[in-house]
Amino acid sequence: EADIYQTPRYLVIGTGKKITLECSQTMGHDKMYWYQQDPGMELHLIHYSYGVNSTEKGDLSSESTVSRIRTEHFPLTLESARPSHTSQYLCASSRTGSMDTQYFGPGTRLTVL
Amino acid sequence: SQQGEEDPQALSIQEGENATMNCSYKTSINNLQWYRQNSGRGLVHLILIRSNEREKHSGRLRVTLDTSKKSSSLLITASRAADTASYFCASLKGGSYIPTFGRGTSLIVHP
Repeated sequence: EADIYQTPRYLVIGTGKKITLECSQTMGHDKMYWYQQDPGMELHLIHYSYGVNSTEKGDLSSESTVSRIRTEHFPLTLESARPSHTSQYLCASSRTGSMDTQYFGPGTRLTVL
Repeated sequence: SQQGEEDPQALSIQEGENATMNCSYKTSINNLQWYRQNSGRGLVHLILIRSNEREKHSGRLRVTLDTSKKSSSLLITASRAADTASYFCASLKGGSYIPTFGRGTSLIVHP
């Protein structure tokens, strides 16, 4: 098991709410990523980070924001949740020089009613 | 379409049989990695093959890479029920550190 944690594991919330999905890793990895994955489908990159105070948008970043104030912490915020945000959200990290092998957290299953 | 595309999309076999999954990609790569995902969980890295390698082994896993055909295969020998999972390939293009994941192959191994 990788030392990367996500909370909450499951979240059911109403439309319009602001939510923050937490991700932390204790491996000292400089790079971190957020993916969205629908059941049986591919992963879509939402945001990624090279390191502290460095974030970039992925293919599917609209309506969400991230921050990287500390190396180990990479939270994802949805300002106004919508039913279309219902999905699984996976956080991952990797270390420069490791051939970019990614270590994944267990995921957050989000349902927006 | 996706950089990495796996086939078949689903595979159902009996315990003890071998399982072969294929992955195709479109642009030149630095390396290609295979990951496993149990239902409702995150992905776990299985094996990495560099662009200058043709074959790699790890336990019951064998990965091949054919850069001329832009394809890779993952072979799981003597499969077990515990191998039931989805398997994804992730290709890493030259100059990038963002891998591109395919849709995955869903493998079911019947006891």
